Amino acid sequence: DSGVTQTPKHLITATGQRVTLRCSPRSGDLSVYWYQQSLDQGLQFLIQYYNGEERAKGNILERFSAQQFPDLHSELNLSSLELGDSALYFCASSVGDLGAGELFFGEGSRLTVL
Amino acid sequence: DQQVKQNSPSLSVQEGRISILNCDYTNSMFDYFLWYKKYPAEGPTFLISISSIKDKNEDGRFTVFLNKSAKHLSLHIVPSQPGDSAVYFCAASGDSGGGADGLTFGKGTHLIIQP
Repeated sequence: DSGVTQTPKHLITATGQRVTLRCSPRSGDLSVYWYQQSLDQGLQFLIQYYNGEERAKGNILERFSAQQFPDLHSELNLSSLELGDSALYFCASSVGDLGAGELFFGEGSRLTVL
Repeated sequence: DQQVKQNSPSLSVQEGRISILNCDYTNSMFDYFLWYKKYPAEGPTFLISISSIKDKNEDGRFTVFLNKSAKHLSLHIVPSQPGDSAVYFCAASGDSGGGADGLTFGKGTHLIIQP
């Protein structure tokens, strides 16, 4: 158990819809990262928050947005969903924003868009 | 454009033998490298890392080798055990950490340890 909690574990929705994925980081971790893993793809970095502020942006689509709340949990919002958005979405956390590189991952949220 | 490449999608090794997983990178700004291990239905877990100032880091049965001139790193597991069967991701960072740019991951290698 990494200490990172993601909900929901599975989500099935239709094209055009909007979903929210939630992540609670490990106790004491200030950074939250979101990654997308599509079929046969590695983990693609989407976005990072550190102590409530956006710290870095990767390959995140404009239809996607995220935020980190004062209690440090984070939400990833995916809107106008397309079939290609079907993927595993992982949240990870770390203590700092420029640490030793070790991230602690949640179990992921599997999104299926029909 | 894949900056971190794991060219072997899968690898089968007999229990007790050495497993060697390879990873190549193209971005010369990467200076910190990590290996993560992933079991089905779980998130990736950190295994071992190496800074670009080193060429080897060892932790028990796991050793990571870095060849900067070739932009290549490898993970050696010896002896291989059944519990090592998992997907292994190579990851790289350009700021000695997982911070500002996030980690860049390869597509993973599925290691299968045969009894």
